[in-house]
Amino acid sequence: NAGVTQTPKFQVLKTGQSMTLQCAQDMNHEYMSWYRQDPGMGLRLIHYSVGAGITDQGEVPNGYNVSRSTTEDFPLRLLSAAPSQTSVYFCASSVPGGYLNEQFFGPGTRLTVL
Amino acid sequence: AQKVTQAQTEISVVEKEDVTLDCVYETRDTTYYLFWYKQPPSGELVFLIRRNSFDEQNEISGRYSWNFQKSTSSFNFTITASQVVDSAVYFCALIAAAGNKLTFGGGTRVLVKP
Repeated sequence: NAGVTQTPKFQVLKTGQSMTLQCAQDMNHEYMSWYRQDPGMGLRLIHYSVGAGITDQGEVPNGYNVSRSTTEDFPLRLLSAAPSQTSVYFCASSVPGGYLNEQFFGPGTRLTVL
Repeated sequence: AQKVTQAQTEISVVEKEDVTLDCVYETRDTTYYLFWYKQPPSGELVFLIRRNSFDEQNEISGRYSWNFQKSTSSFNFTITASQVVDSAVYFCALIAAAGNKLTFGGGTRVLVKP
């Protein structure tokens, strides 16, 4: 199994540009989520999904969109990038039946918005 | 609302010293789960332990041990006889059984010097 994969690993955007961060998992996990990590603030939940076709907002959803058309993929879209969105983004997934279980994290995407 | 506080931002020790990381949490739910994750310098997030609110037994795994005290809302983590490879950022996290959102503390950076 590849586990949780994220692309790209690094990205530089200009203010106002849009882009999609990709996340995929091959473990048949129902629960997937996106976090951002900023210095001193730990990880904060952006959006999550409990299954295909179902998404919901986390703690810091503004400026981000998600969709879940398949069990495997959970892309995160930045509609109009802002410098405040400079961060490291992590995607995670959990075993079937359990966001309460251990979450498996991807390697992260480091995004810089100029 | 739920909250996780890791008051120690950085701890520096010399190899073979013990180090204890504090985690204090707040939640209104009676059933919840607590986690510890490790983030080494390479950046990935590694799951260490999960504990539910009904299980206050302390746990030891090799050089790692955890002390869960519901009365003080604390879930502290001790590394015994620290090694340079233990240098990392450690995160405590909480999720309520009734919710879908995992809340992280701000993390504690541990630096183990040879």
